[in-house]
Amino acid sequence: GAVVSQHPSRVICKSGTSVKIECRSLDFQATTMFWYRQFPKQSLMLMATSNEGSKATYEQGVEKDKFLINHASLTLSTLTVTSAHPEDSSFYICSARGGAGGPVNEQFFGPGTRLTVL
Amino acid sequence: AQSVTQLDSQVPVFEEAPVELRCNYSSSVSVYLFWYVQYPNQGLQLLLKYLSGSTLVKSINGFEAEFNKSQTSFHLRKPSVHISDTAEYFCAVSTPGRAGNMLTFGGGTRLMVKP
Repeated sequence: GAVVSQHPSRVICKSGTSVKIECRSLDFQATTMFWYRQFPKQSLMLMATSNEGSKATYEQGVEKDKFLINHASLTLSTLTVTSAHPEDSSFYICSARGGAGGPVNEQFFGPGTRLTVL
Repeated sequence: AQSVTQLDSQVPVFEEAPVELRCNYSSSVSVYLFWYVQYPNQGLQLLLKYLSGSTLVKSINGFEAEFNKSQTSFHLRKPSVHISDTAEYFCAVSTPGRAGNMLTFGGGTRLMVKP
């Protein structure tokens, strides 16, 4: 099946710094990628949807200037948490969906990135 | 708009007993349905999915779910659970061809299998 990787798997940073998380589709071209965050013992909350080559669409309540998303290629999307604060500590998960000729009907999830802001 | 309700936040069960995790959805259009499993500190793994065709879908590890359109349900079942099935299970729905097949998740059900 389709494989999605995330890097790093864990990151600890100081308050005020920026953190970049990468999401890669390894064996298919992902025309659409999704970014979620998950708080402990809660469900996934969609943050934004990004299509390759265009600006991301953010869900209501998600600050686009704080959570910068770039989907520059068909296999890579990045999420940058700018000026991170302790309340940004969470588990961030990406998923990818293929385009025509690929896995269009389902999303494939990365393993997640645990962000801890001190 | 669509929504997903998982009626049980936790389901404790003894090993080798049967289990059912309930999922109901609401949508005004046709949907795709999914069950994902999440082990601690890991991402989501697709367990099974319903896109079209037979309403009973099965996974390779003994789980099955049945799409019931009249009851708008997609309950997950396993006749005999193992300790290794302990995990968080998420039901999700998407609308074909809309919003990039964006998924809407239920709140999750923690399956706790006891020896």
